[in-house]
Amino acid sequence: NAGVTQTPKFRILKIGQSMTLQCAQDMNHNYMYWYRQDPGMGLKLIYYSVGAGITDKGEVPNGYNVSRSTTEDFPLRLELAAPSQTSVYFCASSYSSVLGEQYFGPGTRLTVT
Amino acid sequence: DAKTTQPTSMDCAEGRAANLPCNHSTISGNEYVYWYRQIHSQGPQYIIHGLKNNETNEMASLIITEDRKSSTLILPHATLRDTAVYYCIVRVVTGGGADGLTFGKGTHLIIQP
Repeated sequence: NAGVTQTPKFRILKIGQSMTLQCAQDMNHNYMYWYRQDPGMGLKLIYYSVGAGITDKGEVPNGYNVSRSTTEDFPLRLELAAPSQTSVYFCASSYSSVLGEQYFGPGTRLTVT
Repeated sequence: DAKTTQPTSMDCAEGRAANLPCNHSTISGNEYVYWYRQIHSQGPQYIIHGLKNNETNEMASLIITEDRKSSTLILPHATLRDTAVYYCIVRVVTGGGADGLTFGKGTHLIIQP
């Protein structure tokens, strides 16, 4: 199994541009999550999904959108990128929201200038 | 979720046991204690979790005090590859929906050769 994969690894955006961060998992997990990590800080939850077609906001959803059309994929969309969105973005998945451990991808480092 | 307090950083000699403390004095009865770690520039990695009994797996042991107000993660024979930021997370276990993880700043554990 590849686990959780994320593309791209790095990206530089200009202010106002848009992009989609890709996330895929091959573990047949229903639960998927997007986090962001600012320098020297812990992770903050952006959006999560409990299954295909179902998504909900986390702690810091403003400026982002998500969709979940399949179990495997959970893309994160940035519209009108701002410097405050410069961060490392991690996608994660788990088989259970109750006790299951979350498996994280390698992250996407995004810089908005 | 209850708040956790961890030391900012700790050193440990290679081959010795690393004991990482975590204070969670406001923990409630339905909250589990989780530990994750993050090696530089990688996604977080699950280590162990527990409710009130001590737990052990192939990576570490988790000791939770009887009053559950604090816990200690023990890496029995630390290696250089254990150098990472260790996060103690207290998490409410709910019956439905998805629960993201709330990461603080963690403890930066440095294993010295």
